[in-house]
Amino acid sequence: GNSVTQMEGPVTLSEEAFLTINCTYTATGYPSLFWYVQYPGEGLQLLLKATKADDKGSNKGFEATYRKETTSFHLEKGSVQVSDSAVYFCALSVSNDYKLSFGAGTTVTVRA
Amino acid sequence: NAGVTQTPKFRVLKTGQSMTLLCAQDMNHEYMYWYRQDPGMGLRLIHYSVGEGTTAKGEVPDGYNVSRLKKQNFLLGLESAAPSQTSVYFCASSYDPKGLYGYTFGSGTRLTVV
Repeated sequence: GNSVTQMEGPVTLSEEAFLTINCTYTATGYPSLFWYVQYPGEGLQLLLKATKADDKGSNKGFEATYRKETTSFHLEKGSVQVSDSAVYFCALSVSNDYKLSFGAGTTVTVRA
Repeated sequence: NAGVTQTPKFRVLKTGQSMTLLCAQDMNHEYMYWYRQDPGMGLRLIHYSVGEGTTAKGEVPDGYNVSRLKKQNFLLGLESAAPSQTSVYFCASSYDPKGLYGYTFGSGTRLTVV
């Protein structure tokens, strides 16, 4: 089956620190990979995506590279801000499967 | 603003009561989904729809029913609520089946069953 494994949280950082959230996947097909972000009290929002191997998705200073050889899609940001405090979800979809499969989510708290 | 609207935002039910959660989208999306979010478990798909008049089971469909009579609406029903159904429920819609343009999520319904 298709599944996503994320590093466990919570993660607490100081402002301007480097953030990495690990994500690995298993998939029966050729997946597209996503990172979603959930701010407190809100629904999820698409942060970035990659649809084929070696693609790099980027948005708002966040980046993730689709690594087929290690089945990974780790999220990184070089200098976090308090406003980046949120829950981050890694997700995948595969052809002929009408849904996204989500990881458990990683809670990130950035302190001033 | 265009998007996905969920009602109600909060609800407390007694065990055995029934209720319907309403999801409405105004983006003309074909695909709609109901997820539940529980601590440490991420989002799990309950039911989904690939178009008006269609529904299908997701990972955790037991205890829930759905209907998609109109393209813009996707209803989630609990016939006899149980404490295990205490959760935050999210509706989402998408333009394409793989979500390559992103899912649009509602702001959620927090349901407590006592």
